[in-house]
Amino acid sequence: GAVVSQHPSWVICKSGTSVKIECRSLDFQATTMFWYRQFPKQSLMLMATSNEGSKATYEQGVEKDKFLINHASLTLSTLTVTSAHPEDSSFYICSASSGQGAEKLFFGSGTQLSVL
Amino acid sequence: QKEVEQDPGPLSVPEGAIVSLNCTYSNSAFQYFMWYRQYSRKGPELLMYTYSSGNKEDGRFTAQVDKSSKYISLFIRDSQPSDSATYLCAMSATNAGKSTFGDGTTLTVKP
Repeated sequence: GAVVSQHPSWVICKSGTSVKIECRSLDFQATTMFWYRQFPKQSLMLMATSNEGSKATYEQGVEKDKFLINHASLTLSTLTVTSAHPEDSSFYICSASSGQGAEKLFFGSGTQLSVL
Repeated sequence: QKEVEQDPGPLSVPEGAIVSLNCTYSNSAFQYFMWYRQYSRKGPELLMYTYSSGNKEDGRFTAQVDKSSKYISLFIRDSQPSDSATYLCAMSATNAGKSTFGDGTTLTVKP
């Protein structure tokens, strides 16, 4: 199946700093990418939908100034957590879509963010 | 009330057992139903994908959807230790990739 590469797999940062997470589709062009947040033993919570060349669409309750999403090309989307705080510590996952349907949606391996 | 409810388990079965995982939902607009497997600290992997009501079988896995009851199931036959993971149900109203996920059921298959 198609591969979505997400980096870094884990990151520890100090409170107040910014962290960038990259999501790349390695062997297909992703018209749409999604960013999720997952707390332990809880479901994936969709944060935003990212389309190449346009502004991301954020879900209700997600601060767009805090979670900056840039979908600069058909193979790369980035999520920047700005001025991170301990409550931002979580597992962040991206997915990339090569077309319609769940069979064309592929997930990255996730990034564990720990803010001290 | 959550749109998608899933029994979190944990569920522990002996190797070879039949496993039944279930989700209920409240949004009658959902038409696409998925089951994902997620290993610890990894991204989800699509197992089964069905549209509307009915059954779908793929190897040891069978997905059932009952839209009238707003209830979906995943059956795993001849379970293996490698099936030990968290299983997430997901569903959506459109085919556009934006889904609502259950909280996941953690399964352990003991040798």
